[in-house]
Amino acid sequence: GAVVSQHPSWVICKSGTSVKIECRSLDFQATTMFWYRQFPKQSLMLMATSNEGSKATYEQGVEKDKFLINHASLTLSTLTVTSAHPEDSSFYICSAPDSRNYGYTFGSGTRLTVV
Amino acid sequence: AQSVTQLDSQVPVFEEAPVELRCNYSSSVSVYLFWYVQYPNQGLQLLLKYLSGSTLVKGINGFEAEFNKSQTSFHLRKPSVHISDTAEYFCAVTPDYKLSFGAGTTVTVRA
Repeated sequence: GAVVSQHPSWVICKSGTSVKIECRSLDFQATTMFWYRQFPKQSLMLMATSNEGSKATYEQGVEKDKFLINHASLTLSTLTVTSAHPEDSSFYICSAPDSRNYGYTFGSGTRLTVV
Repeated sequence: AQSVTQLDSQVPVFEEAPVELRCNYSSSVSVYLFWYVQYPNQGLQLLLKYLSGSTLVKGINGFEAEFNKSQTSFHLRKPSVHISDTAEYFCAVTPDYKLSFGAGTTVTVRA
């Protein structure tokens, strides 16, 4: 089946630095990638939708200058958390629609801890 | 806009007992419905989905769900749970491609 590879699975960074999270579709072309944020014991909150070759669409309340999304190819989308602060610590998950069976494939998630 | 309500935040259950996780949704348009499972520090895995056709949907790991349009529900069931079913379960709906998730139900299976 469709696979989305997400890296890194966990990262610890210092406050003020930037962190890049990658999601690659391994056996299909992901023209769209959804980026979610999940706080402990809570549901997934959609942050933004990236589309290959165009600007990402951000959900209300999400700072686009802090969460930079790039979708440069049909198999790679990246989320960069810029000037990270402890409140950015969270679990980030990407997901791509799989048109072959009308489903969604999720990455394994990235646990970001900002210290 | 769509919204999803998972009526139970936590469901403790004994091994080999049945379990039902309740999900209700609201939408002004037709939607597709999904159930996902999430194990600690992992992404989401699809259990089953309803797109059209038979309202009883069978998924992986012995799970099934029934779509009830009149009650706008999509409850998930398993007749006999295992310890390995301990996880977080999410109901989700979408009319197109953007998923709306419920708050999740934590299932804890005890021996």
